[in-house]
Amino acid sequence: EIVMTQSPATLSVSPGERATLSCRASQSVNNNLAWYQQKPGQAPRLLIYDASTRATGIPARFSGSGSATEFTLTISSLQSEDFAVYYCQQYNNWPPITFGQGTRLEIK
Amino acid sequence: EVQLLESGGDLVQPGGSLRLSCVASGFSFSSYAMSWVRQAPGKGLEWVSGISAGGTTYYADSVKGRFTISRDNSRNTLNLQMNGLRAEDTAVYHCAKGGVTIFGVIKNNWFDPWGQGTLVTVSS
Repeated sequence: EIVMTQSPATLSVSPGERATLSCRASQSVNNNLAWYQQKPGQAPRLLIYDASTRATGIPARFSGSGSATEFTLTISSLQSEDFAVYYCQQYNNWPPITFGQGTRLEIK
Repeated sequence: EVQLLESGGDLVQPGGSLRLSCVASGFSFSSYAMSWVRQAPGKGLEWVSGISAGGTTYYADSVKGRFTISRDNSRNTLNLQMNGLRAEDTAVYHCAKGGVTIFGVIKNNWFDPWGQGTLVTVSS
């Protein structure tokens, strides 16, 4: 099973600043990695797939990078609606499909 | 608009059974893999089970032998039969649209969209 590890667990950032979230895989997942945003009481929403491709309707301030075992989600200028929990997911080697434990992005 | 609507969640005693359903609309349901992903209260996301467009099934070890995933392409419906339920199965269960099958392998298996979820509570 591929273990996905996200860091930090909680990130405090001021609106307008840049946020950088990390995701590490226990073995290479090539570029088969997705990022999701989840707000309280809502279903997760796909942000990024194939490590760096924005999903339909996702603002350009969200960008993904990385390959193999190290990945980054960057939010270039935080808006109030961006404060949420973010998860990474690998779909390279499954079952099982595995998620990171999440990073909570909170307002500083 | 692509939509997924789950139903069937309930309070059930340990050892009991429950059947969840997910009705899909707005896309060619029979062409895509589908999955169930659950989220225990206050916890992260856990993939539970998936099914290819052709009906090949996949399970997490934690539910193998207890849960059965199925699909009815004529009714655009995904199902999850859950038997032998345990307290640790308590969660919101989401269905999600997955990838496509190419030469018998599911590719591009990210999840988009997700349903709002249905709550399963296992307690005496």
